Amino acid sequence: SQELEQSPQSLIVQEGKNLTINCTSSKTLYGLYWYKQKYGEGLIFLMMLQKGGEEKSHEKITAKLDEKKQQSSLHITASQPSHAGIYLCGADLRGSTLGRLYFGRGTQLTVWP
Amino acid sequence: DTEVTQTPKHLVMGMTNKKSLKCEQHMGHRAMYWYKQKAKKPPELMFVYSYEKLSINESVPSRFSPECPNSSLLNLHLHALQPEDSALYLCASSPSLEAGALFGQFFGPGTRLTVL
Repeated sequence: SQELEQSPQSLIVQEGKNLTINCTSSKTLYGLYWYKQKYGEGLIFLMMLQKGGEEKSHEKITAKLDEKKQQSSLHITASQPSHAGIYLCGADLRGSTLGRLYFGRGTQLTVWP
Repeated sequence: DTEVTQTPKHLVMGMTNKKSLKCEQHMGHRAMYWYKQKAKKPPELMFVYSYEKLSINESVPSRFSPECPNSSLLNLHLHALQPEDSALYLCASSPSLEAGALFGQFFGPGTRLTVL
């Protein structure tokens, strides 16, 4: 089973458009992390959310955590080609082995000029 | 120094070869991780070291042998691999296992391994 469901699987947007990626957990979240990955490269840490209702922003990327829904959303405002890549959510889940991070399947984002 | 480095960047090896992957961090982190990632799939946890001791082995075949000689260095020794072991191997670190939950894990750029 997939502990973290991420949607959509892929997203193609025109430059300047806004977009949202969702990540839903089947278990209670201790921490939710967003990473970005270019194909064949390592994961770049974007931000971490821990508390229900928490919202963090970095440049044009905003992430929110809805604790009741056990869901996080990543929102990109006025997308740019530099935003293209694979976005992965990762989570530390209640009841899991300490140190074990679960990942969603990723969202492939393409931004065309 | 706030990064995790991995060498080599690319590695091609035959099924009878012995090779090693190296991961290094100088952030004072005491938890280090090996992940395997196949194309279009999320990373899969292989091993976790905490304070230089193996904490988690996710039932990885013995042809993969991890080693943590000191708190800054993590190796993955490879022997008699199969073509299906071809993947991107990622190393990560966190201040500790507990802090990994608080602050997340920080990843290296990966080693692209091809087994012929």
